[in-house]
Amino acid sequence: AQSVTQLDSQVPVFEEAPVELRCNYSSSVSVYLFWYVQYPNQGLQLLLKYLSGSTLVKGINGFEAEFNKSQTSFHLRKPSVHISDTAEYFCAVSDLGTGFQKLVFGTGTRLLVSP
Amino acid sequence: EPEVTQTPSHQVTQMGQEVILRCVPISNHLYFYWYRQILGQKVEFLVSFYNNEISEKSEIFDDQFSVERPDGSNFTLKIRSTKLEDSAMYFCASKVGLLYEQYFGPGTRLTVT
Repeated sequence: AQSVTQLDSQVPVFEEAPVELRCNYSSSVSVYLFWYVQYPNQGLQLLLKYLSGSTLVKGINGFEAEFNKSQTSFHLRKPSVHISDTAEYFCAVSDLGTGFQKLVFGTGTRLLVSP
Repeated sequence: EPEVTQTPSHQVTQMGQEVILRCVPISNHLYFYWYRQILGQKVEFLVSFYNNEISEKSEIFDDQFSVERPDGSNFTLKIRSTKLEDSAMYFCASKVGLLYEQYFGPGTRLTVT
């Protein structure tokens, strides 16, 4: 079984500052990794994904994440945040096996960007 | 761009009543999922559906829950006799193939009173 830990429930940051949202996972098998964003009163939107290949993954809205297998981490970064990045961010994993690859989510990190 | 749609956006029901939540996945997608998010908590997997049958379900998905793809376009989640603890946001998701990401709908907020 997989599990995902997002240690930071809330990350306050000033506009134009860099930000890192942390995600660690646990799994006995190889996994796919995802970051989803949820804006207030909206559904989940895919930011980026790691399936294979380069460990540095670029996504939408200037976000990127790095897969670190030895540390079982997939931290999300943005060099300069905007007010509009204020949202809830969810890290998720699914296994590479023969199952139908349900997503296992972390508890989420609320990013609060202030002027 | 194609998207997953869900209706209604908000449903209020009394405890013990049956509810049906509706989803229209993206048209060429083959794998379908339901998740729920209780207020303030993480998103939890309920069930996956492929080739007109349930492929996996969680412990949450007990006998009170059922899913159906009645007409090749809709994908429904039925809760037979709702409980207060069923109050949550329910998300439908779909994907075109195993090696692809899931696309989520905007969710249905279910309030059980």
